[in-house]
Amino acid sequence: AQSVTQPDIHITVSEGASLELRCNYSYGATPYLFWYVQSPGQGLQLLLKYFSGDTLVQGIKGFEAEFKRSQSSFNLRKPSVHWSDAAEYFCAVGAAGTASKLTFGTGTRLQVTL
Amino acid sequence: DSGVTQTPKHLITATGQRVTLRCSPRSGDLSVYWYQQSLDQGLQFLIQYYNGEERAKGNILERFSAQQFPDLHSELNLSSLELGDSALYFCASSVWSAADTQYFGPGTRLTVL
Repeated sequence: AQSVTQPDIHITVSEGASLELRCNYSYGATPYLFWYVQSPGQGLQLLLKYFSGDTLVQGIKGFEAEFKRSQSSFNLRKPSVHWSDAAEYFCAVGAAGTASKLTFGTGTRLQVTL
Repeated sequence: DSGVTQTPKHLITATGQRVTLRCSPRSGDLSVYWYQQSLDQGLQFLIQYYNGEERAKGNILERFSAQQFPDLHSELNLSSLELGDSALYFCASSVWSAADTQYFGPGTRLTVL
């Protein structure tokens, strides 16, 4: 069964500082990996996704993530955080085929201090 | 705006009641997914429909059912509601499979009193 672990429940960073959110996955085959962001009272917005190819993927809002098969990780990074990045971030793993679902991690709440 | 619409936004009801949540996928998307987000369970996959047929089932209770209609909109029916069913229910849609991005609607917040 597929699973996702986000070890950090809550992270606080200063505006302008760099950010790395950790994600580890468990999946038997090549995974489809996603990062979503959820602002308070909002739905989930896709930041970026990895299916295959280049292991460093670029997303929206200046985010990037690197797929490391050897470490079963897909960490999200941003070089300089803005106050508007404060939100909850979810890593998810999906399976191929039409019978598909996303398995989400428990989320990391990001707080940005000014 | 993801293009996925969900109604209603908020729903308050009593234990034992039945409610229906509605989802309209993005234009052209054939797959619809339902997820439940609660404080104790996190984000959990409930069920997927593809072009009117059920394709995958997750942790969906027997009291819950869903369907996808010929116009591709979907409904999630929750019956014999319990306090623990209070949660945010999301619908997502995609063109075909997990290889395609799942776009999430704004959710329906269900409160069972």
